[in-house]
Amino acid sequence: DGGITQSPKYLFRKEGQNVTLSCEQNLNHDAMYWYRQDPGQGLRLIYYSQIVNDFQKGDIAEGYSVSREKKESFPLTVTSAQKNPTAFYLCASSGTGVAGAEKLFFGSGTQLSVL
Amino acid sequence: SQQGEEDPQALSIQEGENATMNCSYKTSINNLQWYRQNSGRGLVHLILIRSNEREKHSGRLRVTLDTSKKSSSLLITASRAADTASYFCATVPDDKIIFGKGTRLHILP
Repeated sequence: DGGITQSPKYLFRKEGQNVTLSCEQNLNHDAMYWYRQDPGQGLRLIYYSQIVNDFQKGDIAEGYSVSREKKESFPLTVTSAQKNPTAFYLCASSGTGVAGAEKLFFGSGTQLSVL
Repeated sequence: SQQGEEDPQALSIQEGENATMNCSYKTSINNLQWYRQNSGRGLVHLILIRSNEREKHSGRLRVTLDTSKKSSSLLITASRAADTASYFCATVPDDKIIFGKGTRLHILP
């Protein structure tokens, strides 16, 4: 089955700890995205990548880092600099049309909580 | 920065009625998309409308786009209990996709 896989589904972070959220896709999509969703809120863009070895900051990149070493993988690290990391994190991918990003495919999300 | 803003924030209707949600945005766009999210899950793409289109249909969904007013509407006809979810509009001003805060739709039996 083609799709996006996020893991783990639940993650707990201790004070001062870095944690990494995994995102893998087998849709052969060039573009991948990380969004953060707080309860009852919309999605805010953290980072996105249009191509391997290249990525851009979104609206709330501070305290997060990413890498894009392979087309199918786009892991997100929540660093200790992110003081309020508790949220639902969503990874997505898309093909790219002539006139901008097309339909997004989402993973099932990772709920990150602070111990 | 939040590009799109949905209205209303929450909507409760009786099963069988039609539901209308609106989205306003700030800058010019290449396309606009609507997504559905069930509680605790990822988003699912519903429909995409391009900047040169004015209306689009898909099953019980009808989307309109007015680029002069920078607004879009999503109509769900003959609502069902399974339509209970949050609905988000997403705008594509360039190479990224920006979401609004969503409309929470509750279908009453």
